[in-house]
Amino acid sequence: QKEVEQNSGPLSVPEGAIASLNCTYSDRGSQSFFWYRQYSGKSPELIMFIYSNGDKEDGRFTAQLNKASQYVSLLIRDSQPSDSATYLCGVGGGADGLTFGKGTHLIIQP
Amino acid sequence: NAGVTQTPKFRILKIGQSMTLQCTQDMNHNYMYWYRQDPGMGLKLIYYSVGAGITDKGEVPNGYNVSRSTTEDFPLRLELAAPSQTSVYFCASSPGNNEQFFGPGTRLTVL
Repeated sequence: QKEVEQNSGPLSVPEGAIASLNCTYSDRGSQSFFWYRQYSGKSPELIMFIYSNGDKEDGRFTAQLNKASQYVSLLIRDSQPSDSATYLCGVGGGADGLTFGKGTHLIIQP
Repeated sequence: NAGVTQTPKFRILKIGQSMTLQCTQDMNHNYMYWYRQDPGMGLKLIYYSVGAGITDKGEVPNGYNVSRSTTEDFPLRLELAAPSQTSVYFCASSPGNNEQFFGPGTRLTVL
């Protein structure tokens, strides 16, 4: 069974600092990796996706993938209070959707 | 584009009742998914579809049924509701690259 592990937190980060969110996955055949942000009571919103080893940057967000270690991370630079949310790591490899972790609850302290 | 829409937003069912959760997307995506999310948990895949007329079971299909007669619609049927089905249900669609777009969700309580 495919598994995706995330530290549930809460992860508390001062405003303006870098928040680092981590995710490990069990299926070595996984090909696509996604980070979703979910505010309380809302639906998941796609932030980043990455398919290849290395880093991918988009504004304040950087996704990092290491397939050998089965590890994917999300860095949020210059953290803002509006970044406070639950971050879901989703891992996929085929048509049968994504396997999600339980999410990391991030709190940005003003 | 409205994206992915779901109805109803909230529903309370009694044990043993049935209902259909509606999901519609206007992005012409072939792939559609139903997930459930329990408090403090991630999303669990219930059923998915890769195109009209094709559906398949996900990780937690028991107690649910789906149909896909059109590209746009992917309803989820609950038969004989049980308290264990109390959850938030999300429908999602994808153009096929696993990038998924989620609807606003349906919050279901079974008493």
